Amino acid sequence: GESVGLHLPTLSVQEGDNSIINCAYSNSASDYFIWYKQESGKGPQFIIDIRSNMDKRQGQRVTVLLNKTVKHLSLQIAATQPGDSAVYFCAENRANRDDKIIFGKGTRLHILP
Amino acid sequence: KAGVTQTPRYLIKTRGQQVTLSCSPISGHRSVSWYQQTPGQGLQFLFEYFSETQRNKGNFPGRFSGRQFSNSRSEMNVSTLELGDSALYLCASSLGQGTYQPQHFGDGTRLSIL
Repeated sequence: GESVGLHLPTLSVQEGDNSIINCAYSNSASDYFIWYKQESGKGPQFIIDIRSNMDKRQGQRVTVLLNKTVKHLSLQIAATQPGDSAVYFCAENRANRDDKIIFGKGTRLHILP
Repeated sequence: KAGVTQTPRYLIKTRGQQVTLSCSPISGHRSVSWYQQTPGQGLQFLFEYFSETQRNKGNFPGRFSGRQFSNSRSEMNVSTLELGDSALYLCASSLGQGTYQPQHFGDGTRLSIL
């Protein structure tokens, strides 16, 4: 069925270390994936996206990796900062179809001093 | 460029009442989607509008409805409110369907039912 899930509900990372947030998706027809960050009291904020014809995409301090063979998506945050504390959601979509975007349940990232 | 604007930010209602929430998308965006977010269920899709037409609908009862105007602004309505409707209601806009473009969210309307 449709589902996008995350392997861990919470993740604690030392400030300055790299963070890796994982996501599994079930719909092999999905061809577009997005990561969002949601801070307390705010709506989800777009971080980075990737299309299924790519394996990796880099942004500022963030990298998204896509493994279509095992239907796995990950978000890597380099040199994690206190401002990175938030809940991170992955989402999947079939961009060329009238399919709704499916969101995972989110991973809360805690930054340890 | 202004982001997605949702009004009001906070709302308190009692059971049985109805409520209307408003969403102004990013200028140029024609698709507007609504989501309900609760601690237990996460982000759940309500419906999506594109060019004033509902194109997708989630698994919510008919008490939840919406519409989109010609300027792409959207409203959602919840009638006969129940305690379980207490949630953060999020609106997201995007350029449109069939494009590899992310949805951009507003900060939501926090609805509390007493």
